[in-house]
Amino acid sequence: LAKTTQPISMDSYEGQEVNITCSHNNIATNDYITWYQQFPSQGPRFIIQGYKTKVTNEVASLFIPADRKSSTLSLPRVSLSDTAVYYCLVVGAPYSSASKIIFGSGTRLSIRP
Amino acid sequence: ETGVTQTPRHLVMGMTNKKSLKCEQHLGHNAMYWYKQSAKKPLELMFVYSLEERVENNSVPSRFSPECPNSSHLFLHLHTLQPEDSALYLCASSPGTEVGETQYFGPGTRLLVL
Repeated sequence: LAKTTQPISMDSYEGQEVNITCSHNNIATNDYITWYQQFPSQGPRFIIQGYKTKVTNEVASLFIPADRKSSTLSLPRVSLSDTAVYYCLVVGAPYSSASKIIFGSGTRLSIRP
Repeated sequence: ETGVTQTPRHLVMGMTNKKSLKCEQHLGHNAMYWYKQSAKKPLELMFVYSLEERVENNSVPSRFSPECPNSSHLFLHLHTLQPEDSALYLCASSPGTEVGETQYFGPGTRLLVL
């Protein structure tokens, strides 16, 4: 079971680039890395998913080194509305067991003006 | 976003009451999930259904009873709850029949047990 470790909290300022790193030392060959964002009193929202190297979408980029033991979520030019909790998940494919769906404590990101 | 809806959004109930939470997904997905999120705690997966069959039950007390009549609807029946059951209950769905794919969450039901 690939447990993940993230910083509990991070602070940044509007317009800055924010990088949140997640460690997953026991990641398996079939595991994918997925990031979710959660605002207070709302359900989490999918941000990005990747397997290796780099993935980019309109919201964020995900950097995964060759050994895949960590990953970094990069949020370009953050705004106040990016203040949220960010979760890193490692889930294997085929997705055979719900017991592998572990959200962890996440990283509470606070953006200041 | 209206892909996954949950009702009610807020619920206050006594320990002897019986209530039900409803979740509906309009995305044509095949798997549905119930999560519990207590204050300052990680999301806890409670139940998973794939094609209307329960895939997993993560040691949830019997006072929580799920029901999935079809792939679009999921219920969580509540009875004789305890104050520590007060939490945000989140429903999610995912596209395929295998659990754990990218999940789409509803807004949640904020439950307070008195």
